[in-house]
Amino acid sequence: DAMVIQNPRYQVTQFGKPVTLSCSQTLNHNVMYWYQQKSSQAPKLLFHYYDKDFNNEADTPDNFQSRRPNTSFCFLDIRSPGLGDAAMYLCATSREARAGYGETQYFGPGTRLLVL
Amino acid sequence: AQSVSQHNHHVILSEAASLELGCNYSYGGTVNLFWYVQYPGQHLQLLLKYFSGDPLVKGIKGFEAEFIKSKFSFNLRKPSVQWSDTAEYFCAVKKGTASKLTFGTGTRLQVTL
Repeated sequence: DAMVIQNPRYQVTQFGKPVTLSCSQTLNHNVMYWYQQKSSQAPKLLFHYYDKDFNNEADTPDNFQSRRPNTSFCFLDIRSPGLGDAAMYLCATSREARAGYGETQYFGPGTRLLVL
Repeated sequence: AQSVSQHNHHVILSEAASLELGCNYSYGGTVNLFWYVQYPGQHLQLLLKYFSGDPLVKGIKGFEAEFIKSKFSFNLRKPSVQWSDTAEYFCAVKKGTASKLTFGTGTRLQVTL
């Protein structure tokens, strides 16, 4: 089945130690998103890749970076995790056309990050 | 800034009761509207969506939602809930051709037997 895969499902890191979360998709969608969801809060968009074009949200801290080496994979790098970065990180994909309206986003299961 | 409001944070219903969850948004232009559901331990799944046309949309598992443009609302309804509908429900809005999806804070639905 076509899907959005996130590894690992749970990640524990130490304060200040860089960590990378990964996302892959078999949907061949051209747009990939990273969201942060803290407990009892709405998912919040960090950034997205439209094809190879990186689009950062204005309020995303510099501590968060992303890489998309090819269509199928996208990584979230947290350079120096703080205690406040503990959250669920969701990857999503969609197939978008620049001239058209937004399409449905398909979500992965998420990676829960714990910062010690 | 665009915002999405879900006024009910936690709803408890008995099986067979009717459900209506409110969703209001602040953006005045063309919007795409979504309801996602997250069952315990599972990922976000699309329940239904509105892009254009008939403002009453039907989704999976007997859910429906009505887009009322004049009220900036997209309320979710189900005439008779089941225990298996226990989940968190998120309303989300995309404006125009933008890719960004803005979520509401979610409503936790608990259905009792």
